Amino acid sequence: AQSVTQLDSQVPVFEEAPVELRCNYSSSVSVYLFWYVQYPNQGLQLLLKYLSGSTLVKGINGFEAEFNKSQTSFHLRKPSVHISDTAEYFCAVKEGGFKTIFGAGTRLFVKA
Amino acid sequence: EAGVVQSPRYKIIEKKQPVAFWCNPISGHNTLYWYRQNLGQGPELLIRYENEEAVDDSQLPKDRFSAERLKGVDSTLKIQPAELGDSAVYLCASSQIAGGPLVDTQYFGPGTRLTVL
Repeated sequence: AQSVTQLDSQVPVFEEAPVELRCNYSSSVSVYLFWYVQYPNQGLQLLLKYLSGSTLVKGINGFEAEFNKSQTSFHLRKPSVHISDTAEYFCAVKEGGFKTIFGAGTRLFVKA
Repeated sequence: EAGVVQSPRYKIIEKKQPVAFWCNPISGHNTLYWYRQNLGQGPELLIRYENEEAVDDSQLPKDRFSAERLKGVDSTLKIQPAELGDSAVYLCASSQIAGGPLVDTQYFGPGTRLTVL
């Protein structure tokens, strides 16, 4: 059965610093991978997704993620964060059928 | 383009009372999802509709939860009776499976925050 582990529940970082939010998944078959962002009192918004092809995926707001099949990871990165990036970030995986499994989330807190 | 609309945004009820949530998906989206998001956790699927048919309701607690999607557009999720453990955010999402079911992008509404006292 598939599962998603987000290794950090909270990540504090100073403005303009780089950040990496870690995500590992378990699956015995090919998967599709997603990162969503949730701002306070809002629904989830898709940041980026990996379906196939290049393992480096670029998304909105300057975020990118790299799919590593051997390490079953899909870490999210941004070279320079802004205060407005403060939000909850969810990694998700979909395999075979239509169900998407979400991780528990990582709260990114950008400090001035 | 209007996004996914949900109402109410907040609901406070006492245990054993009934409650209902409403969702209006993005126009033209044939797939609709209801998720429950507990505090500090990611969303968990409750039910998925393809048009008006519930194609995955394996995680819906059917003793107290029910859902319907009349005419394949709006949907209502009901809990009767509510329990303390039902306190959560209930999210609705919709998608249009234009490229196939595995590549559809889900668009989420703002959610309904339910508090059961």
